[in-house]
Amino acid sequence: AQSVTQPDIHITVSEGASLELRCNYSYGATPYLFWYVQSPGQGLQLLLKYFSGDTLVQGIKGFEAEFKRSQSSFNLRKPSVHWSDAAEYFCAVGEMDSSYKLIFGSGTRLLVRP
Amino acid sequence: ETGVTQSPTHLIKTRGQQVTLRCSSQSGHNTVSWYQQALGQGPQFIFQYYREEENGRGNFPPRFSGLQFPNYSSELNVNALELDDSALYLCASSSSLGAYEQYFGPGTRLTVT
Repeated sequence: AQSVTQPDIHITVSEGASLELRCNYSYGATPYLFWYVQSPGQGLQLLLKYFSGDTLVQGIKGFEAEFKRSQSSFNLRKPSVHWSDAAEYFCAVGEMDSSYKLIFGSGTRLLVRP
Repeated sequence: ETGVTQSPTHLIKTRGQQVTLRCSSQSGHNTVSWYQQALGQGPQFIFQYYREEENGRGNFPPRFSGLQFPNYSSELNVNALELDDSALYLCASSSSLGAYEQYFGPGTRLTVT
């Protein structure tokens, strides 16, 4: 079975600083990878996805992520964080056995200092 | 384009009771998946519905059941509620059975006392 690890439970950055959230996955073949964001009390919003091709993918809200097969990683980055980016971020990998489902990491909570 | 909607927003039930949660999929989407998100954790897959039939289930007991209707909307039913069932229940829709890209609703917060 596939798994996703997000090693950082909390990350605090200052507004305007750069951000990198880590994600590692375990999967034998080329994975389908996703980053979602969840604001307090809200559902999940898709930030970006990687299926194949260019390993650097651009998403909404100025986020990008880089797929590194050799490191089994799919880290999320943003060059300049805004206070509104404070939220919980989830990395997920697509798995197909009897159904097409997402396997999520445990999330990283981003706090933004003014 | 209408996104995924869920009802109710919040629900409080007593242990042993039964609950039904509802989901309307995004316009044009025919596949619905349900996830349970316990506090402080990532969502966990419960099951998926396609063409009104269950298409795969995660590690959840049979007291978690579902339905999908001809208009692709869906219900999640939980019988004999336990305290550990307290969670945010998320519905996600996708455009086809083989599509990993899923769009989530706002969730239903279930509290079992």
